[in-house]
Amino acid sequence: DAGVTQSPTHLIKTRGQHVTLRCSPISGHKSVSWYQQVLGQGPQFIFQYYEKEERGRGNFPDRFSARQFPNYSSELNVNALLLGDSALYLCASSPTGRAVSGANVLTFGAGSRLTVL
Amino acid sequence: KNEVEQSPQNLTAQEGEFITINCSYSVGISALHWLQQHPGGGIVSLFMLSSGKKKHGRLIATINIQEKHSSLHITASHPRDSAVYICAPITQGGSEKLVFGKGTKLTVNP
Repeated sequence: DAGVTQSPTHLIKTRGQHVTLRCSPISGHKSVSWYQQVLGQGPQFIFQYYEKEERGRGNFPDRFSARQFPNYSSELNVNALLLGDSALYLCASSPTGRAVSGANVLTFGAGSRLTVL
Repeated sequence: KNEVEQSPQNLTAQEGEFITINCSYSVGISALHWLQQHPGGGIVSLFMLSSGKKKHGRLIATINIQEKHSSLHITASHPRDSAVYICAPITQGGSEKLVFGKGTKLTVNP
């Protein structure tokens, strides 16, 4: 069974451009969450989606948006890119929308490394 | 002040040593993950715990919810344990989210 897959793995953009990052969860997982990890720092929570609805949002500007599709895959969109958006963007999937449940397993993808020039 | 504080930030050990990484947090939580991140970015959840202690192989995690403190222990450390270890509490409430420590970079020398 494939793990959480993210695409693209690496990409380079220039300031002001737009980027779309994609995440496919583990089969059977209905929740997807997105995180930003700037070099040398711990990840920061951006969004959580469950059953195609936004369940949580971190402290990120409106330039950041996301959605979840009927097949539970997800996209993260960032508009008007800034140099400070350069980071590793991580996606994680879990079976349910509740973080704490007996069978919950949080599985991360390998990430999409975005460089903004 | 960060919501999650880890110590130490960097740790170098000799193979076979007992390792302890500490995590203190200031927010109310429902549970906490210990994550392992290898160079290149891949993250693996080692444990999720909400009370007491969990053990998996040479890894042991403990949590004291009242004291807002968790520890990760590695017994008989090995060079393959070299990685960044991240404490990630899950905040309480309707909108649960993970908050992350900055991580502890562990290097185990042979």
